[in-house]
Amino acid sequence: EVQLLESGGGLVQPGGSLRLSCAASGFTFSSNAMSWIRQAPGKGPEWVSAIDGGRTYYAGSVRGRFTISRDNSKSTLYLQMNSLRAEDTAVYFCAKEVVGAPAADYWGQGTLVTVSS
Amino acid sequence: QSVLTQPPSVSGAPGQRVTISCTGSSSNIGAGSDVHWYQQLPGTAPKLLIYVNSNRPSGVPERFSGSKSGTSASLAITGLQAEDEADYYCQSHDSSLREWVFGGGTKLTVL
Repeated sequence: EVQLLESGGGLVQPGGSLRLSCAASGFTFSSNAMSWIRQAPGKGPEWVSAIDGGRTYYAGSVRGRFTISRDNSKSTLYLQMNSLRAEDTAVYFCAKEVVGAPAADYWGQGTLVTVSS
Repeated sequence: QSVLTQPPSVSGAPGQRVTISCTGSSSNIGAGSDVHWYQQLPGTAPKLLIYVNSNRPSGVPERFSGSKSGTSASLAITGLQAEDEADYYCQSHDSSLREWVFGGGTKLTVL
């Protein structure tokens, strides 16, 4: 059974940093592309970033501030978030991508990031 | 303002058929990018319902189907059931933005 468990969310001041983690199990982590997708309160999902074997991809709204990475030996996905803004407030989901298609077939339960003074 | 446009709400009685539209542009759906659909129940993560326009993941009932034509796509739900009441989102890839893009979501109410 595929499981994705996010952690690391919390309350942070504007301009601050936070690192999210996503522990994966139930599939061959190293062989799959992974994404971070966020959802602000009352809004629809917004794709944030993705990583496959060796390349990283970012939404324009976070490029230069967020960094996605993975540790295949630990089956863990990360999202380093710097220079956080109020508009980054959202539930952040870790997601496994469909093989061969830019879509998410498994999602974690999400971790809430609140940026506020 | 979402890149993909969906109606804010649709409704139907149990047993009926409803459709949800998703309209894009020449830089996403019209450029040949595939469309995927998600169902989100309150307080839960989105669940993949349809991928690559018309494919159902294992476990998704045949009552759910997807199609794509031109710059638009549609999700159809037949034999509407109370448990289908949820928010539905379409998603594609935009070649200009080089990003995944989502629709604003459609709230389905089962009357």
